[in-house]
Amino acid sequence: GESVGLHLPTLSVQEGDNSIINCAYSNSASDYFIWYKQESGKGPQFIIDIRSNMDKRQGQRVTVLLNKTVKHLSLQIAATQPGDSAVYFCAENGDSGYALNFGKGTSLLVTP
Amino acid sequence: GAVVSQHPSWVICKSGTSVKIECRSLDFQATTMFWYRQFPKQSLMLMATSNEGSKATYEQGVEKDKFLINHASLTLSTLTVTSAHPEDSSFYICSASRTSGGTDTQYFGPGTRLTVL
Repeated sequence: GESVGLHLPTLSVQEGDNSIINCAYSNSASDYFIWYKQESGKGPQFIIDIRSNMDKRQGQRVTVLLNKTVKHLSLQIAATQPGDSAVYFCAENGDSGYALNFGKGTSLLVTP
Repeated sequence: GAVVSQHPSWVICKSGTSVKIECRSLDFQATTMFWYRQFPKQSLMLMATSNEGSKATYEQGVEKDKFLINHASLTLSTLTVTSAHPEDSSFYICSASRTSGGTDTQYFGPGTRLTVL
């Protein structure tokens, strides 16, 4: 079936550098995309979302880019901090338009 | 705002017993709540969609008689794992959907760690 996937399972960056986490999705019906951060033993935390009528959205230190042509989503984190270390999931609303399909996750490790 | 709680945060039970997990939206009303399961180092897998006042919609492969879902109010949904077995040990996470500005955003609870001995 169609699914959401991530290119890199792990990403290690130095503190202060920018991080880019990528996600590929396959369902052309998806029109809502979200990035979540999950720390060990905790539930996912909403970071930022974007609708398909946009190609870029910015938050505090984070930017989400959406390329519908190639069905690609990315999360950029500026000036990465140790507290950013976590697993990051992309999710999309797929066929239901409501329930979320989660990607496999990328583990971000920020080193001093 | 948009806080979702779960209780208990962790539970250990014997094989064959039933366990109830509560999911509450603390500062908003949620017509729809979702239940996910997450195994170690894996992604979240949607189990079911819970709508207030109606039967839950289960994903393919999820046994509705084993995972009983009740959504009796706009702030509470419960998941009962009946006759639990070791393979049901997992991290169970709920989310509640909040509508704001025409957009539905899911906010997640902190999760419940279930260990079945």
